[in-house]
Amino acid sequence: GAGVSQSPSNKVTEKGKDVELRCDPISGHTALYWYRQSLGQGLEFLIYFQGNSAPDKSGLPSDRFSAERTGGSVSTLTIQRTQQEDSAVYLCASSLAQGVNSPLHFGNGTRLTVT
Amino acid sequence: KQEVTQIPAALSVPEGENLVLNCSFTDSAIYNLQWFRQDPGKGLTSLLLIQSSQREQTSGRLNASLDKSSGRSTLYIAASQPGDSATYLCAVRPVQGAQKLVFGQGTRLTINP
Repeated sequence: GAGVSQSPSNKVTEKGKDVELRCDPISGHTALYWYRQSLGQGLEFLIYFQGNSAPDKSGLPSDRFSAERTGGSVSTLTIQRTQQEDSAVYLCASSLAQGVNSPLHFGNGTRLTVT
Repeated sequence: KQEVTQIPAALSVPEGENLVLNCSFTDSAIYNLQWFRQDPGKGLTSLLLIQSSQREQTSGRLNASLDKSSGRSTLYIAASQPGDSATYLCAVRPVQGAQKLVFGQGTRLTINP
């Protein structure tokens, strides 16, 4: 079956512009995560959605970052007024249930370059 | 604060060798530990998940062990192949803040034909 789908795969934008990154999780997966992977850094948690519960936004690095998940499926991560330090690979993952032992399945990521 | 360390950062071995990748974590209060591989320009592929009550998990040529009390996990790869070349990451799911997996920096593995 289809895995986690992310678009675009690559995005180059000018400093100060807004960008939207999209994640389409595996059908039926109720939990959705966004992580950021910067060059030479580990994966950094950004935000978590579980069903209809309020998202855990504690990992968002600044108020320029926001995310939403419509209808419990597709999620959009928005970065406003992009800065060069936002350049990274943004990874989305989903899991089948909120059970802690459900493995995460990742998409291929969106590589964001801010010039 | 939970920290995850993977040593070595890079490893190069000839094809056919058995090898072990190491992962250590500072806080034993975890639900599970998951091993992933990441190919260049790709996302993460889940390999094995070991629950905190388990000691090991096996999938094909891969065997992962977990010693929660000492904060260590190993990923054993038998009869390595060039297709095993990738970066391997481990991640723990902590009891406190279970939605935030904590990742190591990864081990970049190269298998030479």
